[in-house]
Amino acid sequence: DTEVTQTPKHLVMGMTNKKSLKCEQHMGHRAMYWYKQKAKKPPELMFVYSYEKLSINESVPSRFSPECPNSSLLNLHLHALQPEDSALYLCASKPGGQGYNEQFFGPGTRLTVL
Amino acid sequence: QKEVEQNSGPLSVPEGAIASLNCTYSDRVSQSFFWYRQYSGKSPELIMSIYSNGDKEDGRFTAQLNKASQYVSLLIRDSQPSDSATYLCAVNMRAGGTSYGKLTFGQGTILTVHP
Repeated sequence: DTEVTQTPKHLVMGMTNKKSLKCEQHMGHRAMYWYKQKAKKPPELMFVYSYEKLSINESVPSRFSPECPNSSLLNLHLHALQPEDSALYLCASKPGGQGYNEQFFGPGTRLTVL
Repeated sequence: QKEVEQNSGPLSVPEGAIASLNCTYSDRVSQSFFWYRQYSGKSPELIMSIYSNGDKEDGRFTAQLNKASQYVSLLIRDSQPSDSATYLCAVNMRAGGTSYGKLTFGQGTILTVHP
């Protein structure tokens, strides 16, 4: 298995809803990432998990809450989002540790906040 | 100065021509450089990585790195309409001394290959 999977592909939610995005990889990668991408902009880093520990939080609002239950799974819990949070949410993974740093992206979840 | 800058597009080339995409970066100690291709509505796809000065070839793609000039480029030979996409340059930069770093992207260059 050489891919990163993400579910759901599309999500529409209201500002009072609670939802979660899921990311899974079975490549034995030990670093996993959440990115947010707005239209016509590059991906913007949100969180990094390294060896299942949160390593980087790019000053993301608390309405986004990441979770890494195990080395293969990464969740992003969403609560009380704003319409401006509508974007493509990308998960990526890479082998952990020093050395080469190729990151592989999942297909993304297209989120719309009404 | 932006951390990673790409030549502003859009870039339009005829089918069969060479497309040249350029990128400069600000962190002199960066060690890892990547080119991603992103089709409209899809996620970024890694097409080239380069770590040493010089050229690296993979099929129709050649990545070139010059660390002294802090410059990395991507050449696409025999361009095809299917190469039409946004190309993102990404540089792995230091993040507080951590080993996993932080991938910083340029703004992207839109390439159109017309028949």
